[in-house]
Amino acid sequence: DTGVSQDPRHKITKRGQNVTFRCDPISEHNRLYWYRQTLGQGPEFLTYFQNEAQLEKSRLLSDRFSAERPKGSFSTLEIQRTEQGDSAMYLCASSLGLGGSGANVLTFGAGSRLTVL
Amino acid sequence: AQTVTQSQPEMSVQEAETVTLSCTYDTSENNYYLFWYKQPPSRQMILVIRQEAYKQQNATENRFSVNFQKAAKSFSLKISDSQLGDTAMYFCAFMKHVYSGNTPLVFGKGTRLSVIA
Repeated sequence: DTGVSQDPRHKITKRGQNVTFRCDPISEHNRLYWYRQTLGQGPEFLTYFQNEAQLEKSRLLSDRFSAERPKGSFSTLEIQRTEQGDSAMYLCASSLGLGGSGANVLTFGAGSRLTVL
Repeated sequence: AQTVTQSQPEMSVQEAETVTLSCTYDTSENNYYLFWYKQPPSRQMILVIRQEAYKQQNATENRFSVNFQKAAKSFSLKISDSQLGDTAMYFCAFMKHVYSGNTPLVFGKGTRLSVIA
């Protein structure tokens, strides 16, 4: 297992364009999380899934943001009509679900850095 | 809502010396987990150490140990025999116990640690 994979690693886009990020979690992990991290700050929670169900969304996740995990494996995070304030690192993490001994331990990917011009 | 505060934005330490990073948190929960994550420059976040609130014994992982003071809601990280590879952002994080309900990981703003040769 190669850990949590994120693609693309870097994305530069113009304001108003749509972007999509993909996350492939560790295969046996059924929880998947999305965080956003701006320079010099700690990660801020956006949303998370247990299998294919989206269980919680942060207030930070505006209507322009949508996340899916259609088959309970990989996930996508789409940002529509990007704004300069969306520029950040988007982190994906995964963990075991309830009952797993590591349910509270998140393994993070390397992140997808978005720059909106 | 839970909050995590790291009051030291930046710290430095000489190689081979010991350094302590501070963290306080606010919660009304009784069962929870606390974590220290490390984020090296341009690299992904990795778990350093975790503490379960119901365990009185402080967690240790090789050169890393914590001082967990539940009543004071304090959770500091001590790094002994500091090495150049310890240079990184360190984030303190909180998670409610999984059986207290679905909960994401809440991060502090981080402490940037520089180990000086």
